Amino acid sequence: AQKVTQAQTEISVVEKEDVTLDCVYETRDTTYYLFWYKQPPSGELVFLIRRNSFDEQNEISGRYSWNFQKSTSSFNFTITASQVVDSAVYFCALTDYNTDKLIFGTGTRLQVFP
Amino acid sequence: GAVVSQHPSRVICKSGTSVKIECRSLDFQATTMFWYRQFPKQSLMLMATSNEGSKATYEQGVEKDKFLINHASLTLSTLTVTSAHPEDSSFYICSARRQVENTIYFGEGSWLTVV
Repeated sequence: AQKVTQAQTEISVVEKEDVTLDCVYETRDTTYYLFWYKQPPSGELVFLIRRNSFDEQNEISGRYSWNFQKSTSSFNFTITASQVVDSAVYFCALTDYNTDKLIFGTGTRLQVFP
Repeated sequence: GAVVSQHPSRVICKSGTSVKIECRSLDFQATTMFWYRQFPKQSLMLMATSNEGSKATYEQGVEKDKFLINHASLTLSTLTVTSAHPEDSSFYICSARRQVENTIYFGEGSWLTVV
């Protein structure tokens, strides 16, 4: 069975601090996709990144970076120099190659204080 | 701009009535769309897969007669909550894959309140 675990339910930081959101997944599939989405208070899900299981390269996009470690089944997300606008719930999600059904983690609520 | 759009964003209905939520793919065709439900401060749970031109596939525990899904065109799926009850109050959100980017996008979501 597929499962995504986000052990951190809530994180609070002060602006300009770096913060890492953890994501651990379980799957029996050899090919799969991992995603991160941001959900601000308005509710919409904002796509941040998609990573396929063949690509273990870390990725950086501005202040965001992602560390994919297949050996530990983790796909962690780091925000560098956090800003108040980063405050949101962040979801990690998993799907296999043959379906677009997403299995979501429980989310991590990030609060960035000025 | 938005890739997948939902309407209405917020709706209040009386118990016993039905309410329809639309999900549109704006600049691409989607033979398959997905409907999720999210209760306050909880994660998103897949309700059903909407298939263009055929019946929807429901996840275990989701009442197909209560949550009617219609996918009549390649850009539109609708979710109708029938005989709504207060416990149906939730955030409903749809998704679709945009092939050109091979990425799954979500609509803005719809907040349903049943009074």
